[in-house]
Amino acid sequence: DGGITQSPKYLFRKEGQNVTLSCEQNLNHDAMYWYRQDPGQGLRLIYYSQIVNDFQKGDIAEGYSVSREKKESFPLTVTSAQKNPTAFYLCASRRGAAYEQYFGPGTRLTVT
Amino acid sequence: GDSVTQMEGPVTLSEEAFLTINCTYTATGYPSLFWYVQYPGEGLQLLLKATKADDKGSNKGFEATYRKETTSFHLEKGSVQVSDSAVYFCALTHDSNYQLIWGAGTKLIIKP
Repeated sequence: DGGITQSPKYLFRKEGQNVTLSCEQNLNHDAMYWYRQDPGQGLRLIYYSQIVNDFQKGDIAEGYSVSREKKESFPLTVTSAQKNPTAFYLCASRRGAAYEQYFGPGTRLTVT
Repeated sequence: GDSVTQMEGPVTLSEEAFLTINCTYTATGYPSLFWYVQYPGEGLQLLLKATKADDKGSNKGFEATYRKETTSFHLEKGSVQVSDSAVYFCALTHDSNYQLIWGAGTKLIIKP
């Protein structure tokens, strides 16, 4: 079955630590996205990548970093510079010229 | 810039009631329009879409019609079930960059 996997589902970290969230897709999609969702809020775009080895900042990229070394993988690192990292993080992908995005199950990050 | 406005929630209905969740948009040209659904603790799922004026998207008993004259894409269902309880997001995208512009989401609560 094709899809997007995000791991882990729940992640706990201490303040001051960097943490990397995994996102893998086997849909052969070209574009991948990272969103942040806060309680009762909509989605905000962190970073996106249209092709391998290329990515662009979204609306709230500060304190985050990404890489896209393989088509299937788009990991997100939440750095200690991110002021309020506790949130639900969603990864998505999109096929070529299609418009719709497909989402993974999300990772809930709690930083204390 | 482009934007999407959804009716504020929560929307609370009894089982078998008729559902309407309003969505209006501001955009140049002819965007594609989407409804996504998010069940508690999960990622988003594409519910339906419409890519041109007067198109009707439908899925799982839900429908929405792309109304260019009123810049609207209201979500409707004739008879809701408890299992429809979720958060519903309206979104749009353009040909130019494929970025999704999101509404804030509308929480739907269905009581038995």
